[in-house]
Amino acid sequence: GAVVSQHPSWVICKSGTSVKIECRSLDFQATTMFWYRQFPKQSLMLMATSNEGSKATYEQGVEKDKFLINHASLTLSTLTVTSAHPEDSSFYICSAQGSIGLYEQYFGPGTRLTVT
Amino acid sequence: EDKVVQSPLSLVVHEGDTVTLNCSYEVTNFRSLLWYKQEKKAPTFLFMLTSSGIEKKSGRLSSILDKKELFSILNITATQTGDSAIYLCAANPYNNNDMRFGAGTRLTVKP
Repeated sequence: GAVVSQHPSWVICKSGTSVKIECRSLDFQATTMFWYRQFPKQSLMLMATSNEGSKATYEQGVEKDKFLINHASLTLSTLTVTSAHPEDSSFYICSAQGSIGLYEQYFGPGTRLTVT
Repeated sequence: EDKVVQSPLSLVVHEGDTVTLNCSYEVTNFRSLLWYKQEKKAPTFLFMLTSSGIEKKSGRLSSILDKKELFSILNITATQTGDSAIYLCAANPYNNNDMRFGAGTRLTVKP
């Protein structure tokens, strides 16, 4: 089956620093990748949709200058949390969607970000 | 506004019980409904449903979609403690590819 990896799986950083999270589709080409955020005991919240080679589309209320998304290739998308603050601490999950079939999304394992 | 509503939000049962989880949706240009199981990390895919009335089955889990009444159910028979998780449903529209998730049902199966 399709495999999506995320790196790092967890990260602790200090307030004011930036953190980059990578999402890779390992055995298929992902024309579209999605970034989700999940707070404790809550459902997934879509942050943005990125298509390879074009700018990401952000959901309402998500700061594009705060959460920089780059989808540089068909197998890699990155999310950079800039000038992180403790309220950015969360579980970030990416998913990748291929270009054929019923467009099922495959999730990465997630990245736990803690900002101190 | 698109929305997906799951019920119940929380459910506690004992091993061997059968549970039914509900998911109703209002999504413009609906294409498919998906069920996921989430334990400690990211969700894992269970089912994708696109047609009404056709049951999908995997072991003790089964699911069905009703496109007229706009809902889906996920059944788990003979529950085990390993079934304890959050079960998410998501509706996928045609015109864009992002899914709308429900809040999830937290299932706890006690020994």
